[in-house]
Amino acid sequence: ETGVTQTPRHLVMGMTNKKSLKCEQHLGHNAMYWYKQSAKKPLELMFVYSLEERVENNSVPSRFSPECPNSSHLFLHLHTLQPEDSALYLCASSRAGQSSYNEQFFGPGTRLTVL
Amino acid sequence: QKEVEQNSGPLSVPEGAIASLNCTYSDRGSQSFFWYRQYSGKSPELIMFIYSNGDKEDGRFTAQLNKASQYVSLLIRDSQPSDSATYLCAVATTSGTYKYIFGTGTRLKVLA
Repeated sequence: ETGVTQTPRHLVMGMTNKKSLKCEQHLGHNAMYWYKQSAKKPLELMFVYSLEERVENNSVPSRFSPECPNSSHLFLHLHTLQPEDSALYLCASSRAGQSSYNEQFFGPGTRLTVL
Repeated sequence: QKEVEQNSGPLSVPEGAIASLNCTYSDRGSQSFFWYRQYSGKSPELIMFIYSNGDKEDGRFTAQLNKASQYVSLLIRDSQPSDSATYLCAVATTSGTYKYIFGTGTRLKVLA
């Protein structure tokens, strides 16, 4: 138990559906991240929020839309996904700031399958 | 050239041996280096971080950093079957754009 929770743990959706992934951290951190993990590929950083402002958006398709209403919660809104978007989506949190000495704590992930 | 490179393995070592996991990175501006362990079906968990040249020890784990060679390694002494997992190297830099890049990971198998 890392102090980072994610719901749902598993999600199956059709390409026309709209769904949201939720992440919550109980560590007092103020930076949160979304990663995508596909088989045989490195973890891909999708979005970074630091102090509730988006500071990184790594050319992620617009069918993925993040939201960070406060420093403890992070959402990933999904719409009109493609089968290649099927992956494990991981949320992480850390202390904020430009210091790079900030280890990240990961949630258990949401296993997403797009049919 | 990949930004963070690791041999995908599997690296097989007998129980009780030293497992040596290696990682190279391309950005000389990288400042912090992390090792995560990921069991199958689980999320990554941090084992160690290092940001100064040299060795850093924590229990059975030693991280080694050589910035001149752009190389970071993780040694696991007295390897146990429970150490069998994928080990991810991550490299962070805040020079300019924030970057936190993971390697593809090395799968370690410790044979009982």
